[in-house]
Amino acid sequence: QLQLQESGPGLVKPSETLSLTCTVSGGSISSSSYYWGWIRQPPGKGLEWIGSIYYSGSTYYNPSLKSRVTISVDTSKNQFSLKLSSVTAADTAVYYCALSPGGFWFDPWGQGTLVTVSS
Amino acid sequence: EIVMTQSPATLSVSPGERATLSCRASQSVSSNLAWYQQKPGQAPRLLIYGASTRATGIPARFSGSGSGTEFTLTISSLQSEDFAVYYCQQYNNWPLFGPGTKVDIK
Repeated sequence: QLQLQESGPGLVKPSETLSLTCTVSGGSISSSSYYWGWIRQPPGKGLEWIGSIYYSGSTYYNPSLKSRVTISVDTSKNQFSLKLSSVTAADTAVYYCALSPGGFWFDPWGQGTLVTVSS
Repeated sequence: EIVMTQSPATLSVSPGERATLSCRASQSVSSNLAWYQQKPGQAPRLLIYGASTRATGIPARFSGSGSGTEFTLTISSLQSEDFAVYYCQQYNNWPLFGPGTKVDIK
């Protein structure tokens, strides 16, 4: 059974770059034609899709975040990563990684990791 | 740009009762709609995709319907574990979530 786990710093300073990694277990990140995505949720608020990457490296980003987001995949480590630049307090959120097994719906999800932007 | 709305914002239901949640898209998303359940402190769980297809392991009391701009999630007989927030999400173009409906105990 496929499992995803987010990792990375829980605290990032304003104007710096947020970096997170999602490690996939129970299957190969490049063995199937799946998309791998990042979604975030500010405390007490709703869900926002950040972007997705195909196992081959093709990327799709939320237009509202596109200028600040980079998603990459490392098939040798069975991981994909998120970088969000020039962060502000508005980027404080729980960040989830997830699989898109068909269309762009998400299943399963990682447990999420809280990233706080603060000096 | 598509806008997703959900109603009601909060639904108070007694255990064993039927719950009907609505999701509306500002323009047609065909059947490219998913539903998720989220409990406090947990990641969302996929319930429905393709507007009406139950995800693996989801009980039959959850059903989805609709197409185009109007969608419904029905929980036929609410169990204690069903009290949660429910989100719809369209994926006709880039993924976009609705604001959620909280189902709480009446």
